[in-house]
Amino acid sequence: EVQLVESGGGLVQPGGSLRLSCAASGFSLSGYYMHWVRQAPGKGLVWVSRINSDGSSTNYADSVKGRFTISRDNAKNTLYLHMNSLRAEDTAVYYCLRINGGDWGQGTLVTVSS
Amino acid sequence: QTVVTQEPSFSVSPGGTVTLTCGLSSGSVSTSNYPSWHQQTPGQAPRTLIYSTNTRSSGVPDRFSGSILGNKAALTITGAQADDESDYYCVLFMSTGRWVFGGGTKLTVL
Repeated sequence: EVQLVESGGGLVQPGGSLRLSCAASGFSLSGYYMHWVRQAPGKGLVWVSRINSDGSSTNYADSVKGRFTISRDNAKNTLYLHMNSLRAEDTAVYYCLRINGGDWGQGTLVTVSS
Repeated sequence: QTVVTQEPSFSVSPGGTVTLTCGLSSGSVSTSNYPSWHQQTPGQAPRTLIYSTNTRSSGVPDRFSGSILGNKAALTITGAQADDESDYYCVLFMSTGRWVFGGGTKLTVL
């Protein structure tokens, strides 16, 4: 069974950092582009970032570019999102997503507040 | 900045057919945008229905189908059921390498 399990969310102060992880099982991450998507409370889905299958190419939404870094460890079958200089508007549930295959994680909540 | 457009809300009768669309504020949607469709009920993680225009995700019933209609991507639900009442989001790949979600369509079945 294919599963994506996010972890690493929590409460962080403005300006702080967090690293989210997305552990994949049931398939090899190395064959797929992977994405991070977020959803602020009561709002719609917003695409955050994408990484290609070997990690050599990444893309970011303007709102996070320069602050967030997507990476992957195919040997560990895990996707990451390193988040720096966090702002209140980054508060959201963060999901990892394999679009080709159609698999979502259950999400991890990041709350940025003092 | 390109905006992905969706109907804010739609209503369908039980057993009926509904087509939701996904467009661009500038230009046409094509298969090169790899449109995908995602269903979300309140408090739950999203679920992918369709990716790469018309490929059904595993376990998705065939009453959900994706296509390009005119200059938009489309999600058609035939034989609508009560538990189809959800928010539906499309997402498109852009030539910049970024992806953009639409604002979502709230589907009511009544």
